[in-house]
Amino acid sequence: QQPVQSPQAVILREGEDAVINCSSSKALYSVHWYRQKHGEAPVFLMILLKGGEQKGHDKISASFNEKKQQSSLYLTASQLSYSGTYFCGANAGNMLTFGGGTRLMVKP
Amino acid sequence: GAVVSQHPSRVICKSGTSVKIECRSLDFQATTMFWYRQFPKQSLMLMATSNEGSKATYEQGVEKDKFLINHASLTLSTLTVTSAHPEDSSFYICSARAPRVANSPLHFGNGTRLTVT
Repeated sequence: QQPVQSPQAVILREGEDAVINCSSSKALYSVHWYRQKHGEAPVFLMILLKGGEQKGHDKISASFNEKKQQSSLYLTASQLSYSGTYFCGANAGNMLTFGGGTRLMVKP
Repeated sequence: GAVVSQHPSRVICKSGTSVKIECRSLDFQATTMFWYRQFPKQSLMLMATSNEGSKATYEQGVEKDKFLINHASLTLSTLTVTSAHPEDSSFYICSARAPRVANSPLHFGNGTRLTVT
């Protein structure tokens, strides 16, 4: 079953912050986050392995609440290059099941 | 880093013909590769898991006789769309994980945009 992402879309001004949420109905071993630009393949952002673990990459970070089976991606001081569709991938076994995606547009 | 190469990047074919898409892991051996399909503005939907030396595992609703998967070597998996129809037009993406690396991410090929006329 596909994890649920929210919001489905968000528009930001450069420098603003955003949070993207991902919720699964299954117990998860890990959560992966990817960003996809239009017409391109998804690019790996980060993976979260443990409950409560938070990881960061530049101004993009994420958290994983294993008990609640939820993960959130935090984008701070957004840049134009952050625009794209963000997918969470729920790992409940050997394969990844992706959420519906969150379309993020950062405007100057 | 792990690199996955996919070919062709774009293909246009006539209805009723077959199209083969190749997925190669360039710097690692992949015993398992995953094939996804993505329709415009939608998510990546797993079609099948390709296993080297054995039959692929198909997701529910994916016709195994229509989407033939062959994983004959540790670096190559192929997806053949047989008797293609316009509704098969989509973005097909393969992916693989580096082996023996616990919880490694999926590395995606650049995708193949298939248009069936």
